[in-house]
Amino acid sequence: NAGVTQTPKFRVLKTGQSMTLLCAQDMNHEYMYWYRQDPGMGLRLIHYSVGEGTTAKGEVPDGYNVSRLKKQNFLLGLESAAPSQTSVYFCASADRGRVPYGYTFGSGTRLTVV
Amino acid sequence: AQKVTQAQTEISVVEKEDVTLDCVYETRDTTYYLFWYKQPPSGELVFLIRRNSFDEQNEISGRYSWNFQKSTSSFNFTITASQVVDSAVYFCALSEVTTQGGSEKLVFGKGMKLTVNP
Repeated sequence: NAGVTQTPKFRVLKTGQSMTLLCAQDMNHEYMYWYRQDPGMGLRLIHYSVGEGTTAKGEVPDGYNVSRLKKQNFLLGLESAAPSQTSVYFCASADRGRVPYGYTFGSGTRLTVV
Repeated sequence: AQKVTQAQTEISVVEKEDVTLDCVYETRDTTYYLFWYKQPPSGELVFLIRRNSFDEQNEISGRYSWNFQKSTSSFNFTITASQVVDSAVYFCALSEVTTQGGSEKLVFGKGMKLTVNP
């Protein structure tokens, strides 16, 4: 019962480098979300997806891109990392068929941009 | 847009004290859900409770209790006889309907760090 798996768990990037964070879920959930957590700011939604092939912007989308080519995977890309993107990133998924939604969170990716 | 306010940013108590974490929300939806999550020092998010807008009954689970009052748009969380293991950051969250296919997403408060000292 893996649930939501985030890869990698830790990463240090240099300013200007690019990387992709992978979120994988094995629960056949329709909805997937990327949040970032910063001290004193709570969790803020970056992008989300309501199904394979769809994505939408959240509260803080600038500097990030996402893709949902397969239902089970939701990728978050940083094309040119900036120190302001130093954060802890959480992925979550939710079951469309359940009301209320049962949100399942990954364990987080700690990203440092130097 | 929906909003969740956790006015307290940090609280420190001594073990066995009771502590209440405040949560005030804003929404125009008539149907919505409220959540509390715990984030211990290890960093993962632990689901504590989900309450829908039509159920104003207070809930108790062991040392935890929740007081939902629609009249004041509040969903407060009380820990009775706090323990060191309760030390964590606690988040209140509200579900919000999105414009994408009727889906929902969570809007989080900024969190409240609770430290329970022995």
